[in-house]
Amino acid sequence: AQSVTQPDIHITVSEGASLELRCNYSYGATPYLFWYVQSPGQGLQLLLKYFSGDTLVQGIKGFEAEFKRSQSSFNLRKPSVHWSDAAEYFCAVGPYTDKLIFGTGTRLQVFP
Amino acid sequence: DAMVIQNPRYQVTQFGKPVTLSCSQTLNHNVMYWYQQKSSQAPKLLFHYYDKDFNNEADTPDNFQSRRPNTSFCFLDIRSPGLGDAAMYLCATSARDTQYFGPGTRLTVL
Repeated sequence: AQSVTQPDIHITVSEGASLELRCNYSYGATPYLFWYVQSPGQGLQLLLKYFSGDTLVQGIKGFEAEFKRSQSSFNLRKPSVHWSDAAEYFCAVGPYTDKLIFGTGTRLQVFP
Repeated sequence: DAMVIQNPRYQVTQFGKPVTLSCSQTLNHNVMYWYQQKSSQAPKLLFHYYDKDFNNEADTPDNFQSRRPNTSFCFLDIRSPGLGDAAMYLCATSARDTQYFGPGTRLTVL
């Protein structure tokens, strides 16, 4: 079955600390992978996507993610977290941009 | 310069009373989606349109219907809302390689 797992429901970090959010997927074909961020009361905003090529992709707001096919993972990273990064983060997989399958999300809390 | 607009942002309805949620877009994208997102859960695709071609997910309840009268607008109709339909409803559009989401409508069923 196709699925996305985000093992961490809630993560708390201090401002300025590094961040890694985990995402594992199960997908039968070549996956297209996405990370979205959702601030309270807002819709989802695309942070970055991976379709092919370089397995380390850069996104907006200083985020990056690395695709590791052998581990079926697409972890999101940021070297230094800002208080404004507090939000919910969703990993998603799909055959393209259509019919995305989302993980259950990781809520990030940032302490000053 | 909002691109995907959802109205209302908050909707309260009574058990069994039909409700309609609306979505409009200024992007002129031909693909539109409706997702349901329950508290602490992942967004779940209900249906989507390629232009006027309607595609229903297999597990979307019959209670949920949709209309797309033109490229810009799309509606979600819940014919007889139950308590289990309380959720955030997200509309999205896509073109090329990105989905653009609206801010969502939070539906409360009393």
